Amino acid sequence: QKEVEQNSGPLSVPEGAIASLNCTYSDRGSQSFFWYRQYSGKSPELIMSIYSNGDKEDGRFTAQLNKASQYVSLLIRDSQPSDSATYLCAVRGSSASKIIFGSGTRLSIRP
Amino acid sequence: SAVISQKPSRDICQRGTSLTIQCQVDSQVTMMFWYRQQPGQSLTLIATANQGSEATYESGFVIDKFPISRPNLTFSTLTVSNMSPEDSSIYLCSVSGLAGGTDTQYFGPGTRLTVL
Repeated sequence: QKEVEQNSGPLSVPEGAIASLNCTYSDRGSQSFFWYRQYSGKSPELIMSIYSNGDKEDGRFTAQLNKASQYVSLLIRDSQPSDSATYLCAVRGSSASKIIFGSGTRLSIRP
Repeated sequence: SAVISQKPSRDICQRGTSLTIQCQVDSQVTMMFWYRQQPGQSLTLIATANQGSEATYESGFVIDKFPISRPNLTFSTLTVSNMSPEDSSIYLCSVSGLAGGTDTQYFGPGTRLTVL
């Protein structure tokens, strides 16, 4: 089992709809969770970090964390073509100084 | 967040040669990492650059092929030695542990390497 798993996609969502990106992780003691966005040819940029169970909202983005289910998600409301990118889920494990990245989900927003 | 720069931004190299990539941060950081990202793939951690001591390498990566230096808390280099076309990739510097910050990792702009 991979430490951090994501569906590779591509996930195609119509403009204006909600995009839902999902991620599961294997280390039950993990404490820190991150979502990065990566445009083609660019380096990853941090969108959200979340540390506690529940929802965290930042503009059109909402991160959701459920530690009991070892599940973290990212919702993008009112999806725009500029949201088309690869989204990387990342988890810092219970005993690691480094972050483990998922393989990424490619999101495509169709006009 | 930190401002991270990498040099060079891209290079085309001949097989058998070596390239050193520099990573400079505008503030002191605790941790510095080097990643590789091959076309269409996710991030692969090469090593953690330790200040004042030898880097910690991930499985499949060795010091002879990817020597790393970190002389202080703001600077690190990665050398790709005896290059082959399989080394063609984007190499990314990443940092965490900014003073007064969280445990978030930030990435530099990357170095796009093509080996002929």
